[in-house]
Amino acid sequence: GAVVSQHPSWVICKSGTSVKIECRSLDFQATTMFWYRQFPKQSLMLMATSNEGSKATYEQGVEKDKFLINHASLTLSTLTVTSAHPEDSSFYICSAHEGLAGEQFFGPGTRLTVL
Amino acid sequence: TQLLEQSPQFLSIQEGENLTVYCNSSSVFSSLQWYRQEPGEGPVLLVTVVTGGEVKKLKRLTFQFGDARKDSSLHITAAQTGDTGLYLCAGAASGTYKYIFGTGTRLKVLA
Repeated sequence: GAVVSQHPSWVICKSGTSVKIECRSLDFQATTMFWYRQFPKQSLMLMATSNEGSKATYEQGVEKDKFLINHASLTLSTLTVTSAHPEDSSFYICSAHEGLAGEQFFGPGTRLTVL
Repeated sequence: TQLLEQSPQFLSIQEGENLTVYCNSSSVFSSLQWYRQEPGEGPVLLVTVVTGGEVKKLKRLTFQFGDARKDSSLHITAAQTGDTGLYLCAGAASGTYKYIFGTGTRLKVLA
C-alpha cells in the first residue's frame, strides 16, 4: 500500500511556542489529507480536511486560528499548533486520500507534549 | 453530526475464544472501514465495505456491513494474542472521503 510519513514522530515543547507537524504522501499524490487528534485510550477525532491549493475545512469546535493547516503541494500538508498549551498535548495523526484507489492511508502519528 | 458507537468498549478474552465487535449509527454510510491500531502508531486498515449486506473475510476475521448501511460487525474466530489492540470502525457519507471514527473497542487476548 501507499506510504504516508509524519515528521516529527514526537515533540516536546514549552507552553506558548508553536509546533509544526508535516504529513507527506511518499509515493502518491494526495489532493485531500485529513488531520486527526487522539487522546489516550480514546478514538480518533477528525479535526480538519486539508485540500491542496485551498483553505482547510475545520470540524465544529476546532479553532482554525489555533490549528493552522497548509496544503502546499499534492504530497505535503502541515499542521501548526500555535501558542501551544498543555491541553494541546495529544497524538496527532494525518491521513492522505489516494484518488485512484479511493483509499486513505494513515501516517504513523506525532506525539506532542506541551510542558 | 454522524456518530458511530462501538460495543463493547473493552473486551478481555482467552486465546481461542470467538468475539464480535459492533459498530452502530443512525446515519447511512456509503463506505465503512475497520482499522486496528497499536499503541503509539497510526491505525492500519483491515477492510472496506461498500455494499449493504456485504460480508468480507480476512483469515480469521469476518466483516459484515448492515443491509441499510448503518451498522457493521467484526467477528474474530479463535482469537490469538496477536489480535490484541484497538479496533476502530470509520464511516464516510455518500460523496465524501471524510471518515468519522467510531468510539473504539479495546481488545485484549490473554494467553
